Amino acid sequence: EDKVVQSPLSLVVHEGDTVTLNCSYEVTNFRSLLWYKQEKKAPTFLFMLTSSGIEKKSGRLSSILDKKELFSILNITATQTGDSAVYLCAVISSGSARQLTFGSGTQLTVLP
Amino acid sequence: DGGITQSPKYLFRKEGQNVTLSCEQNLNHDAMYWYRQDPGQGLRLIYYSQIVNDFQKGDIAEGYSVSREKKESFPLTVTSAQKNPTAFYLCASSRQGADTQYFGPGTRLTVL
Repeated sequence: EDKVVQSPLSLVVHEGDTVTLNCSYEVTNFRSLLWYKQEKKAPTFLFMLTSSGIEKKSGRLSSILDKKELFSILNITATQTGDSAVYLCAVISSGSARQLTFGSGTQLTVLP
Repeated sequence: DGGITQSPKYLFRKEGQNVTLSCEQNLNHDAMYWYRQDPGQGLRLIYYSQIVNDFQKGDIAEGYSVSREKKESFPLTVTSAQKNPTAFYLCASSRQGADTQYFGPGTRLTVL
């Protein structure tokens, strides 16, 4: 059974801080790992990391994938109050009909 | 605008009643999915459909039913057999062969 574990469960920081969110996984036949941001409603897509794309960056957000150690991190630099959300990590295994297995998420709160 | 719509946004149901949640997409996506999210937990897959008139059970299908008569629509019925139906329900879709899923705004179901 595929398994995804995120840490920490929650995190409180002040604006301007840098945060690192962790996602470890146990998946048979790993295919890809996805990060989503959820602000009390629909999760919005951030990044997808695969064997051919192990590092992604968009503005203040960046993510890397370590296929050997089976984990990914999501970095947010110069945090803003608008970054407050639940960050979800999910993995897909080959042959799973594109089923996403989600972690429980990290609740990030950025204080002004 | 292209996107995924879910209705209603909030739904209250008495115990013993069936209720149907709507999900419509105009993204021309082949695959559609239903997830359930409980407080402090990640998303869990209920049902998914990769093509019209075909669908498969996910990890927690008991007490739920779906249909896929049109490409654009994937309604979910929560039956009275579902023992703990109060939750946030999210619908998603993806292009054929793609890993990235895009989510609707969700329906919050409360059983009174």
